Amino acid sequence: NAGVTQTPKFQVLKTGQSMTLQCAQDMNHNSMYWYRQDPGMGLRLIYYSASEGTTDKGEVPNGYNVSRLNKREFSLRLESAAPSQTSVYFCASAGTEFFGPGTRLTVL
Amino acid sequence: QKEVEQDPGPLSVPEGAIVSLNCTYSNSAFQYFMWYRQYSRKGPELLMYTYSSGNKEDGRFTAQVDKSSKYISLFIRDSQPSDSATYLCATSYNTDKLIFGTGTRLQVFP
Repeated sequence: NAGVTQTPKFQVLKTGQSMTLQCAQDMNHNSMYWYRQDPGMGLRLIYYSASEGTTDKGEVPNGYNVSRLNKREFSLRLESAAPSQTSVYFCASAGTEFFGPGTRLTVL
Repeated sequence: QKEVEQDPGPLSVPEGAIVSLNCTYSNSAFQYFMWYRQYSRKGPELLMYTYSSGNKEDGRFTAQVDKSSKYISLFIRDSQPSDSATYLCATSYNTDKLIFGTGTRLQVFP
């Protein structure tokens, strides 16, 4: 039972590049979330998925897209990365009870 | 005004001390209150979860919610160096859209 896993752990992008952050959970939870964490700002909700096939915007969705591929997987895509998206990204499941280890993203 | 306010610290206490961590929130409609612990370069882990007002105890940890003053607290008794971490409060109308405080960094020294 791995819980919530995220890949990659670290990533450096140049402005304008795209990438997808992957998240998977093996606990059969319906709800999954993407947060970003920035110094002095706390954790802020980007998108969430209450169940397979549904997604909803959170507090800071601009510049991001998500896909709930199946019940296990919820991916976050940056289509054209900007320096303002430099952050630590966390995936969570089950009413935010379980968090993944995070992805540290730097956009140059 | 932020919806959830939390003193960033750092808070430095000796081992064995009682620690009090606090948050204030602005929306009286919030019903769910959580405390998370986050070690450096790790994901947050849920410590305590309270619905509505009152106290909840789990081992050395006690969570308190005072809805009349919109104040939430986490008390840690007999603090240990292993408690050194950042503590995040969070609240919401429901469990889908939590609003987090910025976190308080706690250092417990031997």
